[in-house]
Amino acid sequence: QVQLKESGPGLVQASETLSLTCTVSGFSLTSYHVSWVRQPPGKGLEWMGRIRSGGSTDYNSALKSRLSISRDTSKSQVLLKMNSLQTEDTAIYYCTGGLRANWFAYWGQGTLVTVSS
Amino acid sequence: DIVMTQTPSSQAVSAGEKVTMSCKSSQSLLYSENKKNYLAWYQQKPGQSPKLLISWASTRESGVPDRFIGSGSGTDFTLTISSVQAEDLAVYYCEQYYDTPLTFGSGTKLEIK
Repeated sequence: QVQLKESGPGLVQASETLSLTCTVSGFSLTSYHVSWVRQPPGKGLEWMGRIRSGGSTDYNSALKSRLSISRDTSKSQVLLKMNSLQTEDTAIYYCTGGLRANWFAYWGQGTLVTVSS
Repeated sequence: DIVMTQTPSSQAVSAGEKVTMSCKSSQSLLYSENKKNYLAWYQQKPGQSPKLLISWASTRESGVPDRFIGSGSGTDFTLTISSVQAEDLAVYYCEQYYDTPLTFGSGTKLEIK
């Protein structure tokens, strides 16, 4: 069955770079699109960006200058890197996937990232 | 960016009652070429990841109970739960996928009396 699992550091210092990994199973990254969505504690959802099944990427313009999404198909992993972190980047980070690029059929459990000043 | 506005922010209903919640977009989500509305609804239960309920404004995902009904077109959309169950306690989000950045509403929190 389709599964996505996020991993990475739970605590990052302000101004540093966040690296998260989404490991998927049950589907191929060359068939499914994968997005990253984040949610500050107690708040709503924000789409960060995606890597399409063909390998192209799209980013939220609000984050584009700080964000990079890539993948390693041999490891079934999607990688997120975001630099210059601030305390307002504290959030649960979800990876999501699906056959459609534009909505989110499958979700990981999420990983909480706290940015410390 | 397309702004999604959800109302109310929260509401409390008794089990068995009907509930409706609204989602309005700052521009039309109806694509003229295919006559489809580019809107999805999600349910997020406490402590869980969101779950996709509805796409194309009214198409339920497989396994979603038929008490969840999506409707609307253009800029005005509604999620109706025809007979609320205790397990429907959650925050409900709409999402537009007409244009990037993909954007969500701020959510409607459903509480059970």
